[in-house]
Amino acid sequence: AQTVTQSQPEMSVQEAETVTLSCTYDTSESDYYLFWYKQPPSRQMILVIRQEAYKQQNATENRFSVNFQKAAKSFSLKISDSQLGDAAMYFCAYRRLNQFYFGTGTSLTVIP
Amino acid sequence: DTAVSQTPKYLVTQMGNDKSIKCEQNLGHDTMYWYKQDSKKFLKIMFSYNNKELIINETVPNRFSPKSPDKAHLNLHINSLELGDSAVYFCASSQDTGQPQHFGDGTRLSIL
Repeated sequence: AQTVTQSQPEMSVQEAETVTLSCTYDTSESDYYLFWYKQPPSRQMILVIRQEAYKQQNATENRFSVNFQKAAKSFSLKISDSQLGDAAMYFCAYRRLNQFYFGTGTSLTVIP
Repeated sequence: DTAVSQTPKYLVTQMGNDKSIKCEQNLGHDTMYWYKQDSKKFLKIMFSYNNKELIINETVPNRFSPKSPDKAHLNLHINSLELGDSAVYFCASSQDTGQPQHFGDGTRLSIL
């Protein structure tokens, strides 16, 4: 079965600095998709970024970018110029067909 | 327009009662899901329906029964509520191609 591991339960970053959240996954498939979701205290689940496994180019969305290492099965999220509004739980997710697998989340604190 | 809406947002009830949570999506997606998020923020898949047919049924007590009257709706009925059912329940939907899930705002269920 596919598993998604987020080894950092909690992280903190100084405002305006850069932080990287790690995610690894286990799969024998070659065709799949990866996502990062953000869950602020309002509890909404907000899509941050999406990556197709067949694309070598790392996805980027404004201050958010990923480092996708397919061979290593690693999918880390980099947040640049961190803002107070980035404080949230961040979930890494793997999709294969109709099945989604989520990591246990990383709680990010942004220090003013 | 709300893409995935679930009602109610909050549900407080006593042990032993039966309750339902409704979910509707107006995105035209083929697949809908129910997740349970516990106090540690862990997201656990409960059910998944594709075009009104059950495709994922994880190990959940049979007190939980999903109902999908059409592909835009997936309701969750819970019988004989127990203290351990207290959690936030999320409805989500996705399209078949490698698109992300869209989540509702969650229903916080509290059992007294």
